[in-house]
Amino acid sequence: DAGVIQSPRHEVTEMGQEVTLRCKPISGHDYLFWYRQTMMRGLELLIYFNNNVPIDDSGMPEDRFSAKMPNASFSTLKIQPSEPRDSAVYFCASSFGTGGNQPQHFGDGTRLSIL
Amino acid sequence: QKEVEQNSGPLSVPEGAIASLNCTYSDRGSQSFFWYRQYSGKSPELIMFIYSNGDKEDGRFTAQLNKASQYVSLLIRDSQPSDSATYLCAVSQGNNRLAFGKGNQVVVIP
Repeated sequence: DAGVIQSPRHEVTEMGQEVTLRCKPISGHDYLFWYRQTMMRGLELLIYFNNNVPIDDSGMPEDRFSAKMPNASFSTLKIQPSEPRDSAVYFCASSFGTGGNQPQHFGDGTRLSIL
Repeated sequence: QKEVEQNSGPLSVPEGAIASLNCTYSDRGSQSFFWYRQYSGKSPELIMFIYSNGDKEDGRFTAQLNKASQYVSLLIRDSQPSDSATYLCAVSQGNNRLAFGKGNQVVVIP
């Protein structure tokens, strides 16, 4: 079975550029989560969707970050403009059923470096 | 107070020994608890989940939950070099979220 698919795996770009991260959740899963992981802060939830609708975006650091889920099989996380402090590994995860009580399955992540 | 706390220092165990990891959480309403394993440079991988007080065993792994004391632990028996990784504790929250601890690094010494 295909797991959560993220692209790109690595992204290196200069400060000020727009960055778009992509995620395809596991088919049939109705929850989708975007996380950011750094050594200092660990794994932080940025935003999550239920049935393509954003439910909680309180973890989005600031207006430079935005996320969309136009359909059940695709989501994007966009950073515009990017800054060096955005450098981190960004994970997408999906689950079926009540998001907090069901296991979340993670994609391989996107390692983002902003120069 | 942090939502989920794990001792962040690396845990070194000899091969074949038992590794014991602990996690405490602040939300008394939490119902579901998960342990994820994360190899360096890889994504978190679910290895155990537990919903009820007591022990749950799966192969060499045992999860232990004590809701009254608000802690959950993970035991790894007969530790192998392939168990060397960071282990993340995750706790459900009422708003359909999981709160993750910062992780415990385990190093199994051959």
